[in-house]
Amino acid sequence: NAGVTQTPKFQVLKTGQSMTLQCAQDMNHEYMSWYRQDPGMGLRLIHYSVGAGITDQGEVPNGYNVSRSTTEDFPLRLLSAAPSQTSVYFCASSYSVVRTYNEQFFGPGTRLTVL
Amino acid sequence: SQKIEQNSEALNIQEGKTATLTCNYTNYSPAYLQWYRQDPGRGPVFLLLIRENEKEKRKERLKVTFDTTLKQSLFHITASQPADSATYLCALNTGNQFYFGTGTSLTVIP
Repeated sequence: NAGVTQTPKFQVLKTGQSMTLQCAQDMNHEYMSWYRQDPGMGLRLIHYSVGAGITDQGEVPNGYNVSRSTTEDFPLRLLSAAPSQTSVYFCASSYSVVRTYNEQFFGPGTRLTVL
Repeated sequence: SQKIEQNSEALNIQEGKTATLTCNYTNYSPAYLQWYRQDPGRGPVFLLLIRENEKEKRKERLKVTFDTTLKQSLFHITASQPADSATYLCALNTGNQFYFGTGTSLTVIP
């Protein structure tokens, strides 16, 4: 199993550009999520999905879109990049939020800089 | 909104001693609480989960306690080693959302 994979590892954008961060998992997990991690702020939930075709907003959704057309893939789209979106982005997955034993598996992260 | 505080940004201890990290939360009663380890430049890795009806959970040199009255979890690493140096995060869920603390950076000095 590859686990959770993310591409790209690094990205530099100019203000106003759009891009998609890719996330895939091969563990047949129902739940997938996107976080951003900023110094002193910890991990903050952007969007999440409890299954294919179902997505919802997390704590900091503004400026980001997601879709979940398959169980495996959960891309994150930046519509019009802003310097405030400079961060490290992590994708995570787990079997199900409601399972009793419910660890999240994280990808390696994407370091995004917006100039 | 949920607020999670971890005791300090950095903790330095001597090898062989017990490290104790604190996680305090407000505004909700989670069904369970999780602890993760994060190394520089990498994603968090799950360590332990403790449920609201459990007082204590152990795994090898790790021990977690959960006091729902105090709204606090303590994370202990006994017989600490330099390889334990990392940032440790606590997390709890409310419904379908997870909230993470800012983490405590632990350095074990040989």
